[in-house]
Amino acid sequence: QKEVEQNSGPLSVPEGAIASLNCTYSDRGSQSFFWYRQYSGKSPELIMFIYSNGDKEDGRFTAQLNKASQYVSLLIRDSQPSDSATYLCAAPFQKLVFGTGTRLLVSP
Amino acid sequence: DVKVTQSSRYLVKRTGEKVFLECVQDMDHENMFWYRQDPGLGLRLIYFSYDVKMKEKGDIPEGYSVSREKKERFSLILESASTNQTSMYLCASSRGGSGNTIYFGEGSWLTVV
Repeated sequence: QKEVEQNSGPLSVPEGAIASLNCTYSDRGSQSFFWYRQYSGKSPELIMFIYSNGDKEDGRFTAQLNKASQYVSLLIRDSQPSDSATYLCAAPFQKLVFGTGTRLLVSP
Repeated sequence: DVKVTQSSRYLVKRTGEKVFLECVQDMDHENMFWYRQDPGLGLRLIYFSYDVKMKEKGDIPEGYSVSREKKERFSLILESASTNQTSMYLCASSRGGSGNTIYFGEGSWLTVV
């Protein structure tokens, strides 16, 4: 069974702090990973993807991939209340498999 | 920008009714997907399609069928709706092959009473 695991949260951080979201996956063969953000009542939207070991930065977001340890993380710097959402990690096992998501709450 | 359009956003249907959910994408994507999302259960794949007239069962296909007669259109059919099919349904598409970005429609909220 191909799996993607996330802590459901909620993860609560104050405004301006760094939020760290983590995800582990079961298949060492997975090559690319995706982070989606989903606001309540809305559909998921892609934030970023990563396929190489190390860090990938896009604005306030940094994705980190460690294939040896089979985890991928998303860091959000200078967290804003508008970042409050559920963050879904996804990995391709023939088709894309999603984690159940981590709910992030950023308090003003 | 990729556009995935789900024509029915909010539906209320009676138990036993046949329900059609339509999805159209405008990016010439080969792959199309239907998911349902329920609180605490995350996104669960119902069916997907790699090509016209091709379909593959996902994780929870029971009670559902699909149709893909044209590349841009993927329909989800509930032959006889039941209350446990009350959910948000998400259509998505991606380029061919595996590991490509999936783009979602806005979702269809179905309530079966």
